[in-house]
Amino acid sequence: DAGVIQSPRHEVTEMGQEVTLRCKPISGHDYLFWYRQTMMRGLELLIYFNNNVPIDDSGMPEDRFSAKMPNASFSTLKIQPSEPRDSAVYFCASTTSSEGYTEAFFGQGTRLTVV
Amino acid sequence: AQSVTQPDIHITVSEGASLELRCNYSYGATPYLFWYVQSPGQGLQLLLKYFSGDTLVQGIKGFEAEFKRSQSSFNLRKPSVHWSDAAEYFCAVGAWSGGYQKVTFGIGTKLQVIP
Repeated sequence: DAGVIQSPRHEVTEMGQEVTLRCKPISGHDYLFWYRQTMMRGLELLIYFNNNVPIDDSGMPEDRFSAKMPNASFSTLKIQPSEPRDSAVYFCASTTSSEGYTEAFFGQGTRLTVV
Repeated sequence: AQSVTQPDIHITVSEGASLELRCNYSYGATPYLFWYVQSPGQGLQLLLKYFSGDTLVQGIKGFEAEFKRSQSSFNLRKPSVHWSDAAEYFCAVGAWSGGYQKVTFGIGTKLQVIP
């Protein structure tokens, strides 16, 4: 398996624009997590899905953020409208519960810069 | 809810010296514990994990960690640090929350290795 795949790797956008980050989890994994990493706050869990259903979105900072998982192989994190304070690295991770508890596997991240 | 504390934000060691990175967790039951490493511009890579059994676990790249229930700690160690170990290290605790898996990360410890 190619691992967790995120796109784009880098995104530069202007304030007010819509930004969509994409993630393809490892095939067969039933959990998908979205994290945001900043210098000030470290790695924050934004939202996670189980079997494509959002379970906990309490980490989503504002209504400007939304996430979807239309099927088991694809998820998006959308920011609309984007603001400079959204600049961060966004990670997607996936794991499986089929063998009990296992570690999460991370993508390479998307570095978002909002100017 | 579970939480993780990494008290050292930044550590500097000389190449060849021993290393210990501290991690304390808070969780009501036996947790699942992880150490991840992140090199600059990269995603997180699993170093090692503890689920049960032997409290001293071996990981990749010569790292080990010891689970001490009485101290709620899971410190990461390496007997002799190499320059390539310079990176950021994250301790994480996983738990079943409301019937679902949830992983919480510490703030991270940035390791600098000097010649």
